[in-house]
Formats: sequence, structure tokens, C-alpha cells
Amino acid sequence: ELQLVESGGGLVRPGGSLRLSCAASGFTVSGNYVSWVRQAPGRGLEWVSIIYSGGSTYYADSVRDRFTISRDNSKNTLYLQMNSLRDEDTAVYYCARAPYSGKYNSGHDAFDIWGQGTMVTVSS
Amino acid sequence: QLVLTQSPSASASLGASVKLTCTLSSGHSRYAIAWHQQQPEKGPRYLMKLNSDGSHSKGDGIPDRFSGSSSGAERYLTISSLQSEDEADYYCQTWGTGIVVFGGGTRLTVL
Repeated sequence: ELQLVESGGGLVRPGGSLRLSCAASGFTVSGNYVSWVRQAPGRGLEWVSIIYSGGSTYYADSVRDRFTISRDNSKNTLYLQMNSLRDEDTAVYYCARAPYSGKYNSGHDAFDIWGQGTMVTVSS
Repeated sequence: QLVLTQSPSASASLGASVKLTCTLSSGHSRYAIAWHQQQPEKGPRYLMKLNSDGSHSKGDGIPDRFSGSSSGAERYLTISSLQSEDEADYYCQTWGTGIVVFGGGTRLTVL
């Protein structure tokens, strides 16, 4: 079964750090394009970051220079290191897979697998 | 700038059909999009992908009641024979090199 399972969420003070994990099964993170998407309470989906199969990384303006996406191929796991956290980073964080596709210039297709999410609360 | 626009809400009666719209920003009418469903208190679920030429592919297990179509910069999701479990938020998504964009979502109420 193709699956993504997030972990690592919790309560953190403003200015603090947290690392989220996303364990994949049924496919390899190294062979796919894997992303983080968040959803603040009562709000819509917001793209956060993506790592390409070749290793390139991209970020939304709202998190660039504070968040770092990475992966451990041996553990088949995606990570999101979040530093200098702000109140507005409070959200459920989802990981999602975008499979390879030669049809698009980006190299990948739409998100087709989602995790169940992990809650991050930034509050003093 | 790559932007997706959705109406905030829609409603339709049980057993009826509804057509949701996602509009691509100017200059981006040839982009593919995907539709995702988010039921209350659940994570998103991939429904289907729509290309600008109207071709589409659905996710595993998605009922035939869900279909998609395209016209110019507009991408549509049609749900027929509405059931109570179709009451959810529906998001469109598009992407380019180094960027992913979501629409603001449409909350569908089944009356």
C-alpha cells in the first residue's frame, strides 16, 4: 500500500524549532517528488516546500530561509526542519507525493498521495 | 503570477449534480490542474487530474460520479448523484518548476 505517515508535531514557543518527519511506504522518496503542505486552523491548503527526485529544493516565500526540506533515502523518510517559528506557522502539516511525469516541464505530476497530517502549534 | 481562483461555496440537493469551477490566471490557461477533496476533520484526498486538452485521469477508487472537464482557463469538477459524504471542501492544485499553487477551496454543502 502506498502510504505517507507524518510525525513530530507539537507545541513550540515563538522563535523555537521543530523537525517533522514523513515516512513513506510502497514507494521511494528518492524516486519521487515529495512536498510539505500546511493548513492553518479554518483556512485552506498552503504549499510549503518540495524536494525533487534529483535533490533540488524549493520553498514558499513565507518559509524560505527558515524551513529546510530534506530526505534520508536509507530510511525512506522526508523531513522538514522548522526554525524561527512564528505564530502564523501554526497549522496541520501534510506531506504529499507527486510522481515523476515527463509530460510536464517540472518533471512531476499532481499530488496523488497524502499523509494524515501532524499538528504544529506555535504559542507562548 | 500563477493563481487559481475558486468560488468559496456551493450547494446542491441530495441526488442532484453540481459543477465546481477552478480558473487559471491569465497566461496560464494551458496548465494542468488536480482536484482534491477534504472531508470534515480529514486530510486531503486526490480525486483527479485535468489537462488543458480535456484529458483526465482519476485516483484509485474514485467513483464514476466524479468527472472533470476543461474550457480555456477553466477547469471543472462535476459531481453527479450527490451523496451526503460528498459534503466537503474541494481544492484545485496546479504546479510548475519549483512552485505549487492551491486555489482557495470551495465548500460544498449537500442540502
